[in-house]
Amino acid sequence: GDSVTQMEGPVTLSEEAFLTINCTYTATGYPSLFWYVQYPGEGLQLLLKATKADDKGSNKGFEATYRKETTSFHLEKGSVQVSDSAVYFCALMNYGGSQGNLIFGKGTKLSVKP
Amino acid sequence: DVKVTQSSRYLVKRTGEKVFLECVQDMDHENMFWYRQDPGLGLRLIYFSYDVKMKEKGDIPEGYSVSREKKERFSLILESASTNQTSMYLCASSGGRGTNEKLFFGSGTQLSVL
Repeated sequence: GDSVTQMEGPVTLSEEAFLTINCTYTATGYPSLFWYVQYPGEGLQLLLKATKADDKGSNKGFEATYRKETTSFHLEKGSVQVSDSAVYFCALMNYGGSQGNLIFGKGTKLSVKP
Repeated sequence: DVKVTQSSRYLVKRTGEKVFLECVQDMDHENMFWYRQDPGLGLRLIYFSYDVKMKEKGDIPEGYSVSREKKERFSLILESASTNQTSMYLCASSGGRGTNEKLFFGSGTQLSVL
């Protein structure tokens, strides 16, 4: 079945460092890809998405490019802030599947130190 | 803004008790979901509902049931709580069918079963 694999955390960075969180997927057809973020004590919220190959999603300085050839959707940010400390979830939705529901990765915890 | 409200932030119950987790959304969304979130396992879908009085099993429905008597309210029921149901439970909602990409999450209920 469809699945999402993301790098295990935790990831600890200093403020203004470059961030990459790797995400790869397995899916039949042409899924849409997402990054969700969960700040401490809160539920998840959509960060960005891409719906087709070579699309780039971006929001709040974060970017991710849908790479069909490598089945990847890595999250990047050029300069992280302490306020970016959160858990990040990669997810996919495969409209060719039976349910059309989101499938989440296990999450990567990011801690940014001042 | 969409608001998804879960009735309790923390809940402590005893093994064998019947437990009700309540979720209410205020945006007239058709779709509602219950997930559990566990360290190292990410989010797993328990049940979801596309309409009033309608429910479908997710990936891990065993030991759980749900009720959707009104559009805005989706309840998760643990008929006889067990220690392996200790977890963070997240409720989510989304708009009409085919718009499950953007889920709006509640803040979660941390359930401890002793």
